[in-house]
Amino acid sequence: DQQVKQNSPSLSVQEGRISILNCDYTNSMFDYFLWYKKYPAEGPTFLISISSIKDKNEDGRFTVFLNKSAKHLSLHIVPSQPGDSAVYFCAASADAGGTSYGKLTFGQGTILTVHP
Amino acid sequence: AAGVIQSPRHLIKEKRETATLKCYPIPRHDTVYWYQQGPGQDPQFLISFYEKMQSDKGSIPDRFSAQQFSDYHSELNMSSLELGDSALYFCASSPLTSGGAKNIQYFGAGTRLSVL
Repeated sequence: DQQVKQNSPSLSVQEGRISILNCDYTNSMFDYFLWYKKYPAEGPTFLISISSIKDKNEDGRFTVFLNKSAKHLSLHIVPSQPGDSAVYFCAASADAGGTSYGKLTFGQGTILTVHP
Repeated sequence: AAGVIQSPRHLIKEKRETATLKCYPIPRHDTVYWYQQGPGQDPQFLISFYEKMQSDKGSIPDRFSAQQFSDYHSELNMSSLELGDSALYFCASSPLTSGGAKNIQYFGAGTRLSVL
């Protein structure tokens, strides 16, 4: 049961254009969402996150949008750069309560290729 | 800045052998998570610890055990290794925070375990 889904296995964009990566989730208990970037042979690197009380969070070239009613979030990268080429994972967590924070549930990942 | 350190980076074992993976979290991070990523798969949560106590458990085989020590480092012990245990094993750590930064997990580079 894939609770976090990234339906596009790959995305190819031209340098300078916008990259839009999408993610859907099914578990309504998720209240915190994160995007990670991963290069081969490295661990996931945190990019940006958003709490369920917000619908947008921006950090430099990266913006995450959350549509709670649709259970959908997206990551916008603008302008895209060749160095952005990597696998992007969407992840979600639920507040475990107390002093324990919840595990991350990951999507399958989207391979982004930015062409010069 | 200090990151999550995992050792070893690569490990080759025979079937039915045991393996121990180590994780040193970012200083002042008190929560550690372990994930397993099989070939072409997304990372799957195994187990987590907060303040040296197990806080959550995922689909971790009974052959695996883990603990967090007084210096907050964690070890994942794997016994009776099977071919299917071949995967990337990631450790992540997060600080106990409140507010918008909760549950950002920072990942190590991973240990690649190959069971022959």
